[in-house]
Amino acid sequence: GEDVEQSLFLSVREGDSSVINCTYTDSSSTYLYWYKQEPGAGLQLLTYIFSNMDMKQDQRLTVLLNKKDKHLSLRIADTQTGDSAIYFCAESKADKLIFGTGTRLQVFP
Amino acid sequence: GAGVSQSPSNKVTEKGKDVELRCDPISGHTALYWYRQRLGQGLEFLIYFQGNSAPDKSGLPSDRFSAERTGESVSTLTIQRTQQEDSAVYLCASRTGQRNEQFFGPGTRLTVL
Repeated sequence: GEDVEQSLFLSVREGDSSVINCTYTDSSSTYLYWYKQEPGAGLQLLTYIFSNMDMKQDQRLTVLLNKKDKHLSLRIADTQTGDSAIYFCAESKADKLIFGTGTRLQVFP
Repeated sequence: GAGVSQSPSNKVTEKGKDVELRCDPISGHTALYWYRQRLGQGLEFLIYFQGNSAPDKSGLPSDRFSAERTGESVSTLTIQRTQQEDSAVYLCASRTGQRNEQFFGPGTRLTVL
């Protein structure tokens, strides 16, 4: 299909790990991105991964890429209440980014 | 340094009126994008400017929507004869470099009554 797909909601307990999944469409995408959107704010780039990598770790964030299945995931270790937000994955297509529908992460005490 | 700024932050207008939204990209960023985000939805690409090239207008939903950019600076998105379905947050992003890493402004929330 044409859409970048994400599950809509994820709820986790504070201190647990969160895993947000994304299925993208274009196997030729050079870079894949994760953005975070807090309430009332624009999108903030969290991390990205180059398409020839399988994994990238950046502090509490781990990105896994399965090119065969066109599957991208974002793992947040030790999830905190400040991580509550909407998370968007995006694939690059020429000079544009194609965004998923976003996953709303809710962290409860 | 300064990030992408947008104005106004909120705009309430009556159906049928024209509105103009402004974006100030990061200095030196050659590419500028406009997106629309309806409530609870993802980002919908509207238009893309790259340097002095002709803009990519493929995402504009109707001829009521237009955008301009002067050189590599400010851009304005104009919506004529606004409709209620135009209510959304309009986000602007700019970028430079090869990674297509886009930096977003805080958005303008448009409400059409």
